[in-house]
Amino acid sequence: GDSVTQMEGPVTLSEEAFLTINCTYTATGYPSLFWYVQYPGEGLQLLLKATKADDKGSNKGFEATYRKETTSFHLEKGSVQVSDSAVYFCALTLMNTGFQKLVFGTGTRLLVSP
Amino acid sequence: DAGVTQSPTHLIKTRGQHVTLRCSPISGHKSVSWYQQVLGQGPQFIFQYYEKEERGRGNFPDRFSARQFPNYSSELNVNALLLGDSALYLCASSPYGQGTYEQYFGPGTRLTVT
Repeated sequence: GDSVTQMEGPVTLSEEAFLTINCTYTATGYPSLFWYVQYPGEGLQLLLKATKADDKGSNKGFEATYRKETTSFHLEKGSVQVSDSAVYFCALTLMNTGFQKLVFGTGTRLLVSP
Repeated sequence: DAGVTQSPTHLIKTRGQHVTLRCSPISGHKSVSWYQQVLGQGPQFIFQYYEKEERGRGNFPDRFSARQFPNYSSELNVNALLLGDSALYLCASSPYGQGTYEQYFGPGTRLTVT
């Protein structure tokens, strides 16, 4: 079946450090890939997405590149801030299934200290 | 414009009871999806409704049911509650029923079954 695997957290960083959160996927078809963020007490917000191989999604200083050869979509940010502390979810959806279904990873908690 | 709204925010039920959760999508959105997020896990797809018809169903028992109303709001019903149904229930809306259109999530309903 379709699945997403993320690195386990928590990831603990100091402010201005470089961030990488690994994400790999298994899909029966050609997926679109997403990163969602969940701040404490809130719902999920789309952070960025990529719909085809070699696409780079970016938003708020975060980036991720769709690597079909390694089935990966790693999230990176050059300099994290305390306000980036949240849980990050990698997800995929398949086209041409007749409906929208997001398949999520288990999430990675990021803690950024001043 | 208002985002996706869900009610109630929190709910405590006893095993064997029935529960109804409600969701109002973003104005103009015709698709509503439901996800279950157990503590420490990523959201799991339960249902998608589009134009008042079920478009997709996840791997959940028949105790879970849903419907969508003419104004595109939706209800999720769970019968014969089990302790394992304790979770955050997320609703997401989207303009269309398929494709890579962004799904906008509500803040969720926290259900506790005792």
